[in-house]
Parts: sequence; structure tokens; C-alpha cells
Amino acid sequence: DQQVKQNSPSLSVQEGRISILNCDYTNSMFDYFLWYKKYPAEGPTFLISISSIKDKNEDGRFTVFLNKSAKHLSLHIVPSQPGDSAVYFCAGVNTDKLIFGTGTRLQVFP
Amino acid sequence: NAGVTQTPKFQVLKTGQSMTLQCAQDMNHEYMSWYRQDPGMGLRLIHYSVGAGITDQGEVPNGYNVSRSTTEDFPLRLLSAAPSQTSVYFCASSYIAGGYNEQFFGPGTRLTVL
Repeated sequence: DQQVKQNSPSLSVQEGRISILNCDYTNSMFDYFLWYKKYPAEGPTFLISISSIKDKNEDGRFTVFLNKSAKHLSLHIVPSQPGDSAVYFCAGVNTDKLIFGTGTRLQVFP
Repeated sequence: NAGVTQTPKFQVLKTGQSMTLQCAQDMNHEYMSWYRQDPGMGLRLIHYSVGAGITDQGEVPNGYNVSRSTTEDFPLRLLSAAPSQTSVYFCASSYIAGGYNEQFFGPGTRLTVL
């Protein structure tokens, strides 16, 4: 029972363009969402978060949008850079548990 | 600060063997957790702890034991390893419970069970 789904396993974007990573969830008890980035052979690192009472949060090149009625969130990276190439995980928080999605591998090419 | 450290980095076990994956943090975080990462499955929560002496089950706890005798350490025990436990294991910690603030992850332990 996958509570958090990232239906696109991979995404390829040209440098300077926008990257949009999508995430859907089924658990309506999630009240906070986060995005983590992971490079090979390293642990994930926190990127950006959003509370369920908001619909947008921005941090530099990264913006997360939340549509609660659709149970959907997305991460926008503008402009994309080659260093953004990594696996991105979205996650939902329910009480003490952080539940991750399956991840999307982003490749930014020159 | 060393952050979150995990040992060993790599381990190969035979089916039925037991072992303990070590995790330590020096940030005085109350919340610690263990995840496993498998291809196509993302990161799945195994066990977590909201403080010393308190542990609870995550999404996939079967076959794993944990204890939290100190704030700093949160070892994960495999009592009788199975090939299905072949995975990359990540330990994480954060200042407060759950994912409401940034979790810091260790570098991972790659475990192969033959």
C-alpha cells in the first residue's frame, strides 16, 4: 500500500529550463510534506518542505506546490542546473512517521 | 560535528546469520529512525524512536529489532538474515519527532544476504 507515489521514475531536462517533479499521496492524515534529494552513495538531504495549510513554499530556485483537494504536490526547479541531477523523494508526515515516495531520477543535461 | 555515522559501510551475510547495524549521532537529537532503500520502492521506514527508551514500528518492521538506550545510539539488529533483507539501510535523526523538521541521514550501509 504505497501512500506516497511518484509515478515518473525519471525525468530529463535541459540546463536552464524548468524541472517539474510530481508526487501524489493517498493518506489524508498527512499534515506536512518534504522533498529530499539524494546523490549516489550518499544519504538523502533535505531540500524544501510545506505545511498542509499552505499551497506554496519557495526557497531560491525551488518551489513546492500543494493541491490538497487533488492530493498532489509538485517541486519546481528553475532554472535547472547540472548539479541538480539526483534522485528526488517526496515524503508525507503523519504523527511520528515520515513516509517516502519511490523517487524520481532527474538528469539535467547541458 | 560528525553528524550521523553508520557502520559498517558494506556487509555480506549468509542466510540465517545475525548482525547489528550501528548508528550514532552527535547532535543531541531526540528522534532517530531506520529506513531501507530498494529499487522501485523508495525509502521505507523500519523502526523509529522519539527518545531514549522509546521505540516503535514503521512500515516494514518484520525481521528487525531496535533499542534506544542512549540519545546518541540507535542500533538495528537482524536476528536471522534473509535474502529479502538485501538492501541499503539509512539511519536518520532530527531534533523533534517525525518529519516536521529536517532529518539528517547517515551515508548508508549496503547489506547483501546470500
